[in-house]
Formats: sequence, structure tokens, C-alpha cells
Amino acid sequence: AQTVTQSQPEMSVQEAETVTLSCTYDTSESDYYLFWYKQPPSRQMILVIRQEAYKQQNATENRFSVNFQKAAKSFSLKISDSQLGDAAMYFCAYRSPYNTDKLIFGTGTRLQVFP
Amino acid sequence: DSGVTQTPKHLITATGQRVTLRCSPRSGDLSVYWYQQSLDQGLQFLIQYYNGEERAKGNILERFSAQQFPDLHSELNLSSLELGDSALYFCASSPRGGGAGGSYNEQFFGPGTRLTVL
Repeated sequence: AQTVTQSQPEMSVQEAETVTLSCTYDTSESDYYLFWYKQPPSRQMILVIRQEAYKQQNATENRFSVNFQKAAKSFSLKISDSQLGDAAMYFCAYRSPYNTDKLIFGTGTRLQVFP
Repeated sequence: DSGVTQTPKHLITATGQRVTLRCSPRSGDLSVYWYQQSLDQGLQFLIQYYNGEERAKGNILERFSAQQFPDLHSELNLSSLELGDSALYFCASSPRGGGAGGSYNEQFFGPGTRLTVL
């Protein structure tokens, strides 16, 4: 069975600085999807970025980028030019492309952004 | 706004009771997923329906059941409620059933239903 691990329960960053959130996963599959979701205080789950395992190029969405290391089974999220609105829980998630599209989530990292 | 709606937003009930949570997927989406977010278990997948049929089951208790109706809305029924069932229940929808190899099938989450069991 696949597992997702987020070893940082909490992180903090100063406004305009850069922060990196860590995620590792375990799977025997060669093809899969990885995601970062943001959950602000409103509790809404918002997709931040996704990565297809077969793509070598790291995904980027504006200030958000990932460092995908397939051999190391590592998938970190880098937030550049941090903003107060980035404060939230961030969840890493895994999805297999076979049988079902259920998401397997990590335990989350709470990000605080200080002015 | 993801286009997925969930009712009610909040639900407070007593142990031993039964409740029904409702989800309306985005227009055109055929799959509905239910997830539970609790302090103890984190975010975990409960069950998926695709076009009215059960597609996948996760860590769903026998006291819980779900269905998807012909108009594609879904209901999650929770019975014999216990204190530990207090959680945020999310519904998500996606266009397809999944398992299609490399094709992407993004899930859109609703705002959740906060269940409190006293």
C-alpha cells in the first residue's frame, strides 16, 4: 500500500522569503500523480500544484514549484515570495492511475507567515 | 468556489443518532468521493461512486454507508454515531471514474460538513 509522510508538523517563514515543505512517499508503482493541497482556515481544500511521475520536469505554478526526486521518492514544495495569504495547512497527496483515483494524504504541515 | 456543494455546513447531534450528509458534484462530473478529516486519523478516503455504482472503498466503517443517485448527487449516511465520528467530511467530484492509466482526472473538493457528536 502507498504511504505519504510529511515530517514537518509546522513551519514558519517571513513575508517575501522562501520556504520549502517536505514530503516523502512510498510506492511500488512506476506511474502515479503527486499533489500539494492547501487548506486555509476556511477549511476549503485547494489544489496548489500537481506532478505526473513520468514527467522529469518539475511542475511550477507562479510562486509555487516542486522538487520531484523520483528515485528518492521525495516531493517538496517551494513557496517563493511568501505572502500572508499563504498561511495554511499544506497536504501532500498521492494518487495511483490504476483502479481508482482516491487520494492518499500526508498528515499535513502548518505554515505560518510572519510580516 | 469549486462547484461542489455540501449540505449541511454544520451538524451537531448526539451519540447513537443517525445523520445524512449530502453532496452535489460539479456539473458533468460522474465521480463522487467522500473523505473524512479528523484529528486522530487525518484526511482519509472513505468511498467513491462513479455514475451510480460503488467504485472503490477505503477505511469506511460498517456503520457508514453511501449512495449516488441518478441525478449524480450523493449521500453519506452515518449511523450509531460515536464521539470519535466527530470530523469534517469532504465530498469531491471528478469527471471520470479513474483507473484510466495516464489520463488526468482532477478532484474538486466541496466546502465540507462539520459533524460534532456530543
